[in-house]
Amino acid sequence: DTGVSQDPRHKITKRGQNVTFRCDPISEHNRLYWYRQTLGQGPEFLTYFQNEAQLEKSRLLSDRFSAERPKGSFSTLEIQRTEQGDSAMYLCASSSGLLASGDTQYFGPGTRLTVL
Amino acid sequence: GENVEQHPSTLSVQEGDSAVIKCTYSDSASNYFPWYKQELGKRPQLIIDIRSNVGEKKDQRIAVTLNKTAKHFSLHITETQPEDSAVYFCAASINGGNFGNEKLTFGTGTRLTIIP
Repeated sequence: DTGVSQDPRHKITKRGQNVTFRCDPISEHNRLYWYRQTLGQGPEFLTYFQNEAQLEKSRLLSDRFSAERPKGSFSTLEIQRTEQGDSAMYLCASSSGLLASGDTQYFGPGTRLTVL
Repeated sequence: GENVEQHPSTLSVQEGDSAVIKCTYSDSASNYFPWYKQELGKRPQLIIDIRSNVGEKKDQRIAVTLNKTAKHFSLHITETQPEDSAVYFCAASINGGNFGNEKLTFGTGTRLTIIP
């Protein structure tokens, strides 16, 4: 499968625990995005990487959230001290060029987080 | 920031009839408008997109129109089939500039049900 992959697909955790998700973008895609989707809503932007540089973070990304893309390939999203409000689908997307110039943002299958 | 509104939130049509979903956006700098189809528990899949230099685009039974002056765009599905049943999201993106961040701002989704 040459598409965007995410791991794990499902995660159940207790409130207060830390969790980490991984995203593997399409090979050679230098732009990587994290979104969060809650039930009945559209995805909301969390953060953006161009290669290894994190260039924008949404105000939705509290201090408990941290994302990395150390080698400009895969990315991780960590949530510390999880809260029930963090329960959502976390989606990763990647693209190689400018959307306005003809490229497309491809989404991964997501990681569904449930905080008990 | 950008704001995207989507209507209707639910839509039921008889198989074979047409379905129309409408979106408006707030930022006149937006220049890329994709439509994603999301089936239950699955990733958003791009079905069609349009860029601001084009007013209409068609791909078989699916078409999208864009009115930049009014800042709205619409999805048209003709000859609907049961497999068209899903949640559809519109989105808008602004040119990323130097940082290349073309984050997508999504609408709230339309649940389309095709009645056999």
